[in-house]
Amino acid sequence: AQSVTQPDIHITVSEGASLELRCNYSYGATPYLFWYVQSPGQGLQLLLKYFSGDTLVQGIKGFEAEFKRSQSSFNLRKPSVHWSDAAEYFCAVGARNMRFGAGTRLTVKP
Amino acid sequence: EAQVTQNPRYLITVTGKKLTVTCSQNMNHEYMSWYRQDPGLGLRQIYYSMNVEVTDKGDVPEGYKVSRKEKRNFPLILESPSPNQTSLYFCASSLSRGIGGNTIYFGEGSWLTVV
Repeated sequence: AQSVTQPDIHITVSEGASLELRCNYSYGATPYLFWYVQSPGQGLQLLLKYFSGDTLVQGIKGFEAEFKRSQSSFNLRKPSVHWSDAAEYFCAVGARNMRFGAGTRLTVKP
Repeated sequence: EAQVTQNPRYLITVTGKKLTVTCSQNMNHEYMSWYRQDPGLGLRQIYYSMNVEVTDKGDVPEGYKVSRKEKRNFPLILESPSPNQTSLYFCASSLSRGIGGNTIYFGEGSWLTVV
């Protein structure tokens, strides 16, 4: 069965610092992987997705993620965090049904 | 504009009083789904629909019903709401489910409180 684990419930980084949010998945075949962001009181916005091909995918807002099959990971990165990036981030694996991780809340310090 | 529209956005109701949360999409999507979001649990799928008149249970279907009489609409029905159904609900749609990698579009969410 497919599942997603986001090991970090809450992460705090300083503005301008780099960011990496971890995501591990369990899936029987080639996974379809997604990262979504949810700002307070808002719905979910797709940041990026991986289906196949280049394992480093670029998304919106300067985010990127790298698919590593050997580690069953799809970590989200950003080189320099902005205060507006404070939000909750969800990793998801999808095929017939999409399964979400529990989310990682990002706090950005001035 | 492509969108998924949910109503109501906010609702407080009492235990046992039937309610319906509507969901409509204007993208001619085949696949529609309902999720609930609870702290520390992420989003969990309640029901999904591959097409008109085709619905299936997700991970947490107990206490909910759905119907898919038209392609654009996928209402979520709580026949007898209970306090443990207090949650944030999201409707979502996608072009099709077969490939699995299609982008899923989410509504803005419906905050439901059952007292």
